[in-house]
Amino acid sequence: GAGVSQSPRYKVAKRGQDVALRCDPISGHVSLFWYQQALGQGPEFLTYFQNEAQLDKSGLPSDRFFAERPEGSVSTLKIQRTQQEDSAVYLCASSQREGTYEQYFGPGTRLTVT
Amino acid sequence: QQPVQSPQAVILREGEDAVINCSSSKALYSVHWYRQKHGEAPIFLMILLKGGEQKGHDKISASFNEKKQQSSLYLTASQLSYSGTYFCGTEIGYGGATNKLIFGTGTLLAVQP
Repeated sequence: GAGVSQSPRYKVAKRGQDVALRCDPISGHVSLFWYQQALGQGPEFLTYFQNEAQLDKSGLPSDRFFAERPEGSVSTLKIQRTQQEDSAVYLCASSQREGTYEQYFGPGTRLTVT
Repeated sequence: QQPVQSPQAVILREGEDAVINCSSSKALYSVHWYRQKHGEAPIFLMILLKGGEQKGHDKISASFNEKKQQSSLYLTASQLSYSGTYFCGTEIGYGGATNKLIFGTGTLLAVQP
């Protein structure tokens, strides 16, 4: 079946612009995660959804970052007033159930802020 | 809070073995292992839950020592396809799943013919 898909794959934004990154999880997967990955580093947790409920947003770096999953499937990560330090790959992952299960990652969106 | 992995990098010839270690300063509920090739998504390898279990499939196995807050990934008879960066993802906690993975510093593995 289809895996996790993300769009766009690449995004260039001028500093101060707002961006929206989309994640389509594997159909039926309850849990959805967003991670930020800087070059040469491991993924860093941003936020976690169980269905439409955002249960953990402790990793969001500032109030410029906002994530939603209104119908419990597709999720959008929005970054307002982008800064150069926001440049990174944003990874989305989904998991079949809540709890400790394998997470399936999407290909990521590479965001470059100029 | 970020787990430390060792070694940082390792170069192998095909057929050689390798061990990658992941060490945390926090109590762990589970450890997840992923492999990521350059420019690609991390690929799930295995999960280990607290209880000191070991797991393995094919020529890749892992152990989890919850008392030492450490996990090790064992790669035997390495193949070219094993090349990539390996990350451990740790779920911190005593009582149960938190669903929040803290990834380690990464280990770059290069397998040469």
